Amino acid sequence: NAGVTQTPKFRVLKTGQSMTLLCAQDMNHEYMYWYRQDPGMGLRLIHYSVGEGTTAKGEVPDGYNVSRLKKQNFLLGLESAAPSQTSVYFCASSYYGRSYNEQFFGPGTRLTVL
Amino acid sequence: GESVGLHLPTLSVQEGDNSIINCAYSNSASDYFIWYKQESGKGPQFIIDIRSNMDKRQGQRVTVLLNKTVKHLSLQIAATQPGDSAVYFCAEILMDSSYKLIFGSGTRLLVRP
Repeated sequence: NAGVTQTPKFRVLKTGQSMTLLCAQDMNHEYMYWYRQDPGMGLRLIHYSVGEGTTAKGEVPDGYNVSRLKKQNFLLGLESAAPSQTSVYFCASSYYGRSYNEQFFGPGTRLTVL
Repeated sequence: GESVGLHLPTLSVQEGDNSIINCAYSNSASDYFIWYKQESGKGPQFIIDIRSNMDKRQGQRVTVLLNKTVKHLSLQIAATQPGDSAVYFCAEILMDSSYKLIFGSGTRLLVRP
């Protein structure tokens, strides 16, 4: 049982490049989330999904797209990377969406946009 | 590993002492609160939670206190150990149709041997 895994762990992009971050969970969780964490700040929700085939916007969705084609995977895409998207990205999953919401987090991906 | 942040408020305590970490939350409609621990290079890890109809909840060596009047949450760690050194975040869940955790900015706990 690997829990929540993220690929890649590190990535450096040039402004304007695109990339996809992959999150995978093996706990059969319905809900999955993408957060970003900037220095001196808590985590901020980018997008989330309440089930396979569904996605919704979080607090800071601009510049990102997501897809949940399979229940166990949640992909985060950057269409045209900007330096403001330099951050650490965390994926999480949970069984329930509200009440007793214990989100399990992945180890994070450090993204630098030059 | 992934560093959490360089400019977080820091609490330094002696090993064996009790620690109290405070958090002010923003929305009086929030009905559920969670404390997370984040060690260097890792994602946040659930510690303890509390519902808004409670004012205290105890776990193993940890206690969470909720004061809804002033929208304040605290995490008490008894007999602090070196392994408790980490960044601690509080998070709230809003009472709407979404399922979003809103995180506070975090406090770094340093345990002196």
